[in-house]
Amino acid sequence: ETGVTQTPRHLVMGMTNKKSLKCEQHLGHNAMYWYKQSAKKPLELMFVYSLEERVENNSVPSRFSPECPNSSHLFLHLHTLQPEDSALYLCASSPSPGGRGTQYFGPGTRLLVL
Amino acid sequence: AQKITQTQPGMFVQEKEAVTLDCTYDTSDPSYGLFWYKQPSSGEMIFLIYQGSYDQQNATEGRYSLNFQKARKSANLVISASQLGDSAMYFCAMREGRGATNKLIFGTGTLLAVQP
Repeated sequence: ETGVTQTPRHLVMGMTNKKSLKCEQHLGHNAMYWYKQSAKKPLELMFVYSLEERVENNSVPSRFSPECPNSSHLFLHLHTLQPEDSALYLCASSPSPGGRGTQYFGPGTRLLVL
Repeated sequence: AQKITQTQPGMFVQEKEAVTLDCTYDTSDPSYGLFWYKQPSSGEMIFLIYQGSYDQQNATEGRYSLNFQKARKSANLVISASQLGDSAMYFCAMREGRGATNKLIFGTGTLLAVQP
């Protein structure tokens, strides 16, 4: 396994469902990120974890709940979502704070909320 | 105010020709980094090239080069000898400062179509 992987790649869920997105990085990085990409909008940063601590939460509704059990894994727990939450959710990782800060992305999960 | 501006929603280029994708940025931080990413239809964001604010020379990575004009706050991506596989969305992004997180601010992207 190389790089950043995300599962599932596609997800369809109803508004009352609970699901989780998973991200795993094999790059030895210490920071991980969740982004939301909606049509015709710039990428929106949702959460940042550095050394397994959440360091940024960009006013994301509580129906999105992140979890970072270790520096290689990041989850996004979803519950009672709205149709406007349909988007591509991208995970990224980067080396320790400082340096260039290049983020490496996974392939994303395309989420459709019905 | 937008921090990263990409004024070209879409562009066409003939195969084997060069193309320039525009990006301007706005920051008052003397230390920053500029990135270009490629996003094919599959969705994955692929890192292409990086330019640091203190770098004296323009960055190059294979067929990609970054035309960095600091006084104009522009960081245009130049792709030489375009290939059909270059067709994708291209995003410019900026990292401000060197804080606890490497937060990136993205532009709205440019859709590049390479024609045979």
